[in-house]
Amino acid sequence: DGGITQSPKYLFRKEGQNVTLSCEQNLNHDAMYWYRQDPGQGLRLIYYSQIVNDFQKGDIAEGYSVSREKKESFPLTVTSAQKNPTAFYLCASSGTNTGELFFGEGSRLTVL
Amino acid sequence: AQSVTQPDIHITVSEGASLELRCNYSYGATPYLFWYVQSPGQGLQLLLKYFSGDTLVQGIKGFEAEFKRSQSSFNLRKPSVHWSDAAEYFCAVGLYSGGGADGLTFGKGTHLIIQP
Repeated sequence: DGGITQSPKYLFRKEGQNVTLSCEQNLNHDAMYWYRQDPGQGLRLIYYSQIVNDFQKGDIAEGYSVSREKKESFPLTVTSAQKNPTAFYLCASSGTNTGELFFGEGSRLTVL
Repeated sequence: AQSVTQPDIHITVSEGASLELRCNYSYGATPYLFWYVQSPGQGLQLLLKYFSGDTLVQGIKGFEAEFKRSQSSFNLRKPSVHWSDAAEYFCAVGLYSGGGADGLTFGKGTHLIIQP
């Protein structure tokens, strides 16, 4: 079945450590996105990529980094510079210019 | 800048009653509008979308939404809710540039509680 796979589903990290969240899609979509979700805040855009080897910052990119070396993959690194990294992270992709997003199941990151 | 407002943080509805979730948007042109639903700890599922044409759009699970340009609104409705409709609902508007879709701007969500 086509879809978006995020891993791991749950992740614990010590302060000062970088962590990388995986996002893989087999929908043949060109565009991929990372959102952060906090209770009562809705979803906020971190980074997005409309094509391989290119990506743009979203509204809250500070403390995060991404790469887009393959069409299928868009990993997100949460760096030690992110002051409040505990959150639910959602990856999405889009195959059309209408912007309709297909979401993965999310990764919950907890910093201890 | 685009923005989406969902005025109701929580809504409680009795099972079998009708439902309306409100959404207002701010956007400079004709928007692409979406409603998504999220169960706890899960990703988001698309309920319906509006791109153009008929202002009343039908979605999955018996939901519909009406686009009203004059009120900048895109309210979600269901004539009779089921206990399984309890979830978080998000309204979103599309962001676009010359390069294509730049993502969606989401409202903060409405938490729907179903009373037996």
